[in-house]
Amino acid sequence: DAGVTQSPTHLIKTRGQQVTLRCSPKSGHDTVSWYQQALGQGPQFIFQYYEEEERQRGNFPDRFSGHQFPNYSSELNVNALLLGDSALYLCASSFLDRDYYGYTFGSGTRLTVV
Amino acid sequence: GQQLNQSPQSMFIQEGEDVSMNCTSSSIFNTWLWYKQDPGEGPVLLIALYKAGELTSNGRLTAQFGITRKDSFLNISASIPSDVGIYFCAGLGNTDKLIFGTGTRLQVFP
Repeated sequence: DAGVTQSPTHLIKTRGQQVTLRCSPKSGHDTVSWYQQALGQGPQFIFQYYEEEERQRGNFPDRFSGHQFPNYSSELNVNALLLGDSALYLCASSFLDRDYYGYTFGSGTRLTVV
Repeated sequence: GQQLNQSPQSMFIQEGEDVSMNCTSSSIFNTWLWYKQDPGEGPVLLIALYKAGELTSNGRLTAQFGITRKDSFLNISASIPSDVGIYFCAGLGNTDKLIFGTGTRLQVFP
């Protein structure tokens, strides 16, 4: 049973560019959350999607946007990239009933902005 | 962004020793979770705590949900080399936003 898969695994972008990261949730999961993890820090909540709508949002600017598709997969888009956006971006999937033993993280996408 | 205070920041111990780390918050949480993260991987859930005062074990790991609901600790007994990694606490309030701690980096020497 495949877990959470994220693509690409690594990405290098230039300041000002736009980037799209992708996530496929674990089979049977219906909720996808995105986190940003800066080097040496714990993950920070960006937003969560359920039924193709954003349910919750953390303290991130509007440059960060997302989407969830009917098959529950999700995308994270970041516009006008800044150097400070360099981080590991983690996707986590779960059931909406908050079964946290089922809250599964992917291996992440390492984004470097130069 | 908000992060929980986790201590110690790092630990260097010998194989077979016991380990203790804790996490504190200025806010009350309804759920405390402990994760381990290996290099190049996402966090993996170790233990979940759902009730104040709850003490839960998972093999050599034991965690407790503080009575005040503002803290939690994790103990690892008889450490082994594969325990190496970064351990994160995470709290959950009335929303689905997990708030993570700053992490404890554990190094185990044979």
